Amino acid sequence: AQSVTQPDIHITVSEGASLELRCNYSYGATPYLFWYVQSPGQGLQLLLKYFSGDTLVQGIKGFEAEFKRSQSSFNLRKPSVHWSDAAEYFCAVGANSGYSTLTFGKGTMLLVSP
Amino acid sequence: DAGVIQSPRHEVTEMGQEVTLRCKPISGHNSLFWYRQTMMRGLELLIYFNNNVPIDDSGMPEDRFSAKMPNASFSTLKIQPSEPRDSAVYFCASTFQQGYGYTFGSGTRLTVV
Repeated sequence: AQSVTQPDIHITVSEGASLELRCNYSYGATPYLFWYVQSPGQGLQLLLKYFSGDTLVQGIKGFEAEFKRSQSSFNLRKPSVHWSDAAEYFCAVGANSGYSTLTFGKGTMLLVSP
Repeated sequence: DAGVIQSPRHEVTEMGQEVTLRCKPISGHNSLFWYRQTMMRGLELLIYFNNNVPIDDSGMPEDRFSAKMPNASFSTLKIQPSEPRDSAVYFCASTFQQGYGYTFGSGTRLTVV
């Protein structure tokens, strides 16, 4: 069975500083990997996805993520955080097979300090 | 494209009452998912449909929960009778292909008192 671990429940970053949110997954083959963002009272919005090719993927809002097979990781990064990035971030893993569904991590809450 | 549309946005009901949540997926999407989000358990997949057929309902908590998808543009999640522990945000999501990720609705915040 596939699973996702986001080891950080909360992270606080100063505005303008760089950000890295960690995600580790468990899956037997090459997975589909996603990062979503959820602002308060809103649904989840897709930031970026990986399912093949270049292991560094670019997403919306200046975010990027790198797939590292050897570490079973898919960490999310942003070089300079803006106050509007404060939200909850979810990593998800899926499979390229049949009726597979996405499995989500527990989420990381990002707080941005002035 | 209006996205995935859920109604109502908020629902407050008394224990024992029937609750029906509604979802309209994006036109052309053939898979639809119902998730429940709570602080304690995070995002849980309740059930999903492919081409209007329920594929996996193993996440449905108990017989009080039921879901239907009578056509490609509409789905309902019903709780009867509702209990306080059902209080959560319920999300509907749809996709046309697994690798492209899901599009989520804005959710229904359910409070059972």
